[in-house]
Formats: sequence, structure tokens, C-alpha cells
Amino acid sequence: EVRLVESGGGLVQPGGSLKLACVGSGFSLSDSAIHWVRQRSGKGLEWVGRIKPSSEDYATAYSASLKATFIVSRDDSQNTAYLQLNDLKIEDTALYFCTRSQGFGYDKWGQGTLVAVSS
Amino acid sequence: DIQMTQSPSSLSASVGDTVTITCRANETIDTYLNWYQHKPGKSPSLLIFGATYLQKGVSPRFSGSGSGTDFTLAVTSLEPDDFATYYCQQSSTTPITFGQGTRLDFK
Repeated sequence: EVRLVESGGGLVQPGGSLKLACVGSGFSLSDSAIHWVRQRSGKGLEWVGRIKPSSEDYATAYSASLKATFIVSRDDSQNTAYLQLNDLKIEDTALYFCTRSQGFGYDKWGQGTLVAVSS
Repeated sequence: DIQMTQSPSSLSASVGDTVTITCRANETIDTYLNWYQHKPGKSPSLLIFGATYLQKGVSPRFSGSGSGTDFTLAVTSLEPDDFATYYCQQSSTTPITFGQGTRLDFK
């Protein structure tokens, strides 16, 4: 079974950092682009960023409003992708999903990991 | 950024009804348009990719149409499990953007 499982969420103070992980199973992560999408409470889906596979030079892209504060990376040997969240703000409180794309939409999603930013 | 505008924002319907949701991009995206269903407490689920292609395992009661800037998701013969929030998404250009969502609830 193809699965994605996120971890690393938690409670952090404003200005703090967290590193989320997304572990794939049942498939090789190296063949897929991995995207991060978040949902703030009561709001819609918001794309955060993505990292492409090695065949596309691990190209990264980010939401314009989050550029330079969030960093996506991957370790294909561990079948894992990461989202480094830096300089967190209260408005970054959200459920963060990882999802894969193989060129035909985002067909598999993790269950999400909750990030809460509060003093 | 490409802006995606869905309408309506909410929709009330009954089991057995047919509903349509529209999504408009503020610039052309060819057919780089996907539709997702999202239920509370669950992960989003891909319904349609490439504007018209039904994701494997998704009921054929769901269909997508459109190209360029105007797209439609249709759901026929509504079943209780269809009541959820639906999002369009453009995957033409980064940053990737979603519509604001259409909440489908029971009339």
C-alpha cells in the first residue's frame, strides 16, 4: 500500500523553528515530486512548496509569501522529505500535509501533522 | 501568482441531485487543473487531473471539463458520501494555487 506519513509537528513559540518529516512507504519517493500543503483552522488548502525528483535536479519552489522562511528538502535513501519551518509566526499555525505528484495531480496524501505557534 | 476563483463558495443539495462547481483562472492554464474532495478530519482526495481525467478508483459520477481559464466539476446522482468541500488547483505554474473551496452540504 502506498502511504505518506508526516511527523514533527508540535507547539512552538513565535520565532521558533520546526522540521517536519514525510516518510513514504509502498513506493519509491525518488520518482515523485513532494509537495507540502497546509490548512489553517477554518480556511482552505494552501500550497507551501515542493521539491522535484533528482531527474529534475531537486528543483524547489515556494509560495511567494513563505519564501526564505520555509525550506523543503529530501533524502531519497530514507524515502523521506522534509519541510524546515523557520521564524514561525502565529499565522503559521496549521495542519501540514505532504503529498506526492507524478505529473497527474496529487494522488497520495499523508494524514497531516499539526503545527501550533503560540507564546 | 495565478488566482483561482471557485463558485459558488457553498452549495446546498439533496441526495440524487446533480451539482456543478465552476473554477476560473485569471490567466490561461491550458488543462493543468485538478479537483480534490476534502472531508473534515481526512486528507484531501484527488478526483480529476488534467481538467478531464478521472482518477483511478473515483466514481464516474464525477466529471471535469474545460480548458484555458474556465473549468467545471460536475457530480451526478449525489450520494451521502459526496457532501464535502471541493477545491480546484492549478498546476501550470508555481506557485501552485488552489481555489478557495466550495462547501457542499445537505439541503
